[in-house]
Amino acid sequence: NAGVTQTPKFQVLKTGQSMTLQCAQDMNHNSMYWYRQDPGMGLRLIYYSASEGTTDKGEVPNGYNVSRLNKREFSLRLESAAPSQTSVYFCASSESRTAQPQHFGDGTRLSIL
Amino acid sequence: RKEVEQDPGPFNVPEGATVAFNCTYSNSASQSFFWYRQDCRKEPKLLMSVYSSGNEDGRFTAQLNRASQYISLLIRDSKLSDSATYLCVVNTNAGKSTFGDGTTLTVKP
Repeated sequence: NAGVTQTPKFQVLKTGQSMTLQCAQDMNHNSMYWYRQDPGMGLRLIYYSASEGTTDKGEVPNGYNVSRLNKREFSLRLESAAPSQTSVYFCASSESRTAQPQHFGDGTRLSIL
Repeated sequence: RKEVEQDPGPFNVPEGATVAFNCTYSNSASQSFFWYRQDCRKEPKLLMSVYSSGNEDGRFTAQLNRASQYISLLIRDSKLSDSATYLCVVNTNAGKSTFGDGTTLTVKP
């Protein structure tokens, strides 16, 4: 099984450009998450989806939107990228909102110039 | 004050040493606790859960002190392969997960 798959792995954008990060899981998990991790820091939750059809804001949602396309897929969109959004983005999934562990994708390294 | 605080280190220890990390949390409603390991430029992976009675997995021992609101991770007989960043994670009953910033461990020959 692939687990959690994120695409792309690397991306460079110019300020103001938009893009969508894709995430898919094949573990039949109900809950999915998007985090960002800045250098030397822990993970901060951007948005999560407790179950198919629902999405909620996390700790740092400003500048992002999400779509839970179906049970497998959860995408993260930057409408107008800013240099402050340069980070490593991780998608994760778990059986439920209260269940651990969360299984993480490999991450997307995003640089905004 | 951060909800979950860890000493960032780095902890530099020789092979075979015993090393311990602490993690403090501020939300008294926290219900479940975990240690994750993150290798450089990789994704976090669950290392172990932390139970109230304390638990052990090989060379790793996790402890929880609810009264003082901290969890600890003890690594015995350190290996080179233990070099990584260790993240503590604290969950509330509502499912909110808060990650610490991590403690970096380097085990040297």
